[in-house]
Amino acid sequence: RKEVEQDPGPFNVPEGATVAFNCTYSNSASQSFFWYRQDCRKEPKLLMSVYSSGNEDGRFTAQLNRASQYISLLIRDSKLSDSATYLCVGNTGNQFYFGTGTSLTVIP
Amino acid sequence: DTAVSQTPKYLVTQMGNDKSIKCEQNLGHDTMYWYKQDSKKFLKIMFSYNNKELIINETVPNRFSPKSPDKAHLNLHINSLELGDSAVYFCASSQIVGLRTDTQYFGPGTRLTVL
Repeated sequence: RKEVEQDPGPFNVPEGATVAFNCTYSNSASQSFFWYRQDCRKEPKLLMSVYSSGNEDGRFTAQLNRASQYISLLIRDSKLSDSATYLCVGNTGNQFYFGTGTSLTVIP
Repeated sequence: DTAVSQTPKYLVTQMGNDKSIKCEQNLGHDTMYWYKQDSKKFLKIMFSYNNKELIINETVPNRFSPKSPDKAHLNLHINSLELGDSAVYFCASSQIVGLRTDTQYFGPGTRLTVL
């Protein structure tokens, strides 16, 4: 079983829609979590860190449920520029475990 | 200023050759990583160094040898390149804050194509 699992999608949503991605992790010792965004042919870039129960930054909200071992990312009022692959990452000690990514396309 | 830089950005080479990829970070981080992202886009850890010492070595062929001359640099040397080595290789760095490893910062990637 993979350490971090995500639905690969693709998610195709209209502009202005709200979209949510879920991610599950298997290691209960994981200390912190991150959502990264990766554009085509580019490096992953940090979108949000999730250390406690959740985090909100503008249109983006991340939530962590340790009891059920899942992390979610909610994007409100989707923009065309949100089209990318979203990577869920769990951290245990020095090790980072990446999910396979969820592909999002926002359609005009 | 570029935080994590890699050279070269593109590398096209013949099977059997030996090549190196260089990585440098100017963030003052203690930990550096090499990842491989294949055609299926899965990002897989290869190595991790903390203060020039190897701390993570996943199941990677011996043909791959990382070298860390100082904590700001982590280079990757690959011997006898094979077709399956074609991928994008990302370098990253992070810092331990308290009991937690903080965010990773990635370099722009090196796109390796083995012919």
